[in-house]
Amino acid sequence: GAGVSQSPRYKVAKRGQDVALRCDPISGHVSLFWYQQALGQGPEFLTYFQNEAQLDKSGLPSDRFFAERPEGSVSTLKIQRTQQEDSAVYLCASSQTGENEKLFFGSGTQLSVL
Amino acid sequence: AQSVTQLDSHVSVSEGTPVLLRCNYSSSYSPSLFWYVQHPNKGLQLLLKYTSAATLVKGINGFEAEFKKSETSFHLTKPSAHMSDAAEYFCVVSEAAGGTSYGKLTFGQGTILTVHP
Repeated sequence: GAGVSQSPRYKVAKRGQDVALRCDPISGHVSLFWYQQALGQGPEFLTYFQNEAQLDKSGLPSDRFFAERPEGSVSTLKIQRTQQEDSAVYLCASSQTGENEKLFFGSGTQLSVL
Repeated sequence: AQSVTQLDSHVSVSEGTPVLLRCNYSSSYSPSLFWYVQHPNKGLQLLLKYTSAATLVKGINGFEAEFKKSETSFHLTKPSAHMSDAAEYFCVVSEAAGGTSYGKLTFGQGTILTVHP
């Protein structure tokens, strides 16, 4: 595609619900990243994939957060038993190789947990 | 560990006047430094990046930044602000730990730039 596509654009969840956020990276991009941006803050790193391999998940805030990229293209970020503190914009980014390479960001999914 | 401090949360300028957005960084290794811009409801866009070549880096839309190791600063400037420059700007560091850096970025808190007619 022309850019990184994320869906849904907005998601409202009741506390305790599970949610799944989707990211379609630019075709052919090897590296994929998830970031979390709380209101009024800069984005914070969550996890990194190189193809289908999850090489770094050090930023995932708890074991309720899980990400996958089974075929090395589309990625899903899943949050189980959502809490109010999970409310944020979740950004996906991709790059051709990842090594100090230019990252292309999607517009994000805004998650609101009520 | 790496960190970034953006010294101003809000900057307001008049159209046609210079822009200065300040950033200081902390890094244990040779850092790569970036400025990203975020317009409302749009994805983050790379303005410019420094990766140990020239210390004065030119980016898109007339922006430039100067890497000053002695001051651990990477301030963003533009000689003449345009209305379309109004957005949030993020200073970002990527650390080459162990000789590799795969784009794990540490963002500053952001500076909101307002441009008045």
